[in-house]
Amino acid sequence: SAVISQKPSRDICQRGTSLTIQCQVDSQVTMMFWYRQQPGQSLTLIATANQGSEATYESGFVIDKFPISRPNLTFSTLTVSNMSPEDSSIYLCSVESGLLPEAFFGQGTRLTVV
Amino acid sequence: TQLLEQSPQFLSIQEGENLTVYCNSSSVFSSLQWYRQEPGEGPVLLVTVVTGGEVKKLKRLTFQFGDARKDSSLHITAAQPGDTGLYLCAADRGSTLGRLYFGRGTQLTVWP
Repeated sequence: SAVISQKPSRDICQRGTSLTIQCQVDSQVTMMFWYRQQPGQSLTLIATANQGSEATYESGFVIDKFPISRPNLTFSTLTVSNMSPEDSSIYLCSVESGLLPEAFFGQGTRLTVV
Repeated sequence: TQLLEQSPQFLSIQEGENLTVYCNSSSVFSSLQWYRQEPGEGPVLLVTVVTGGEVKKLKRLTFQFGDARKDSSLHITAAQPGDTGLYLCAADRGSTLGRLYFGRGTQLTVWP
């Protein structure tokens, strides 16, 4: 298993501003994943972040809106840029550990855009 | 379209009742996981099933992987208020390393 620290845990932001979410893992991992989750709903994968290369974005998500950094094997950031109320959601980072793709998650960042 | 169809979406029951949550697909998976998420927390892995027909038990929770590895079920016996949460199934197609597909989730509420 892996222990993941994500911050901030919640924030209220003005529309048009940007927020950077940090994700720290207690061990080195090849890939880190960023998800978005509407309250009470399932997870939607935003992008996969590999160390030393560009993140891979899922359909409907673009780098200009959700830039990702992955400077080393234990850390990643996701920025939500030029925010609008539609970006209000829970953002989660995760890693996978072991031989199977079993995911371990941070506690999430609850973002409210006003 | 959702790769994994989870049902029911909402479930509200009394303490002591039994329940089953289903996760279905037309695709074959290399493995399938079940997670539980409580408010303000990230999902927590409950179990992974790999072999078709596999049954795993975790105290009062029983997980089954379909023979064809396309579907799974989660059965809870004598539900307790502590079982309340969002239950998510997720599956790996074995094609893209680490890519998990999540179902929509089942929001379970167990009343004392």
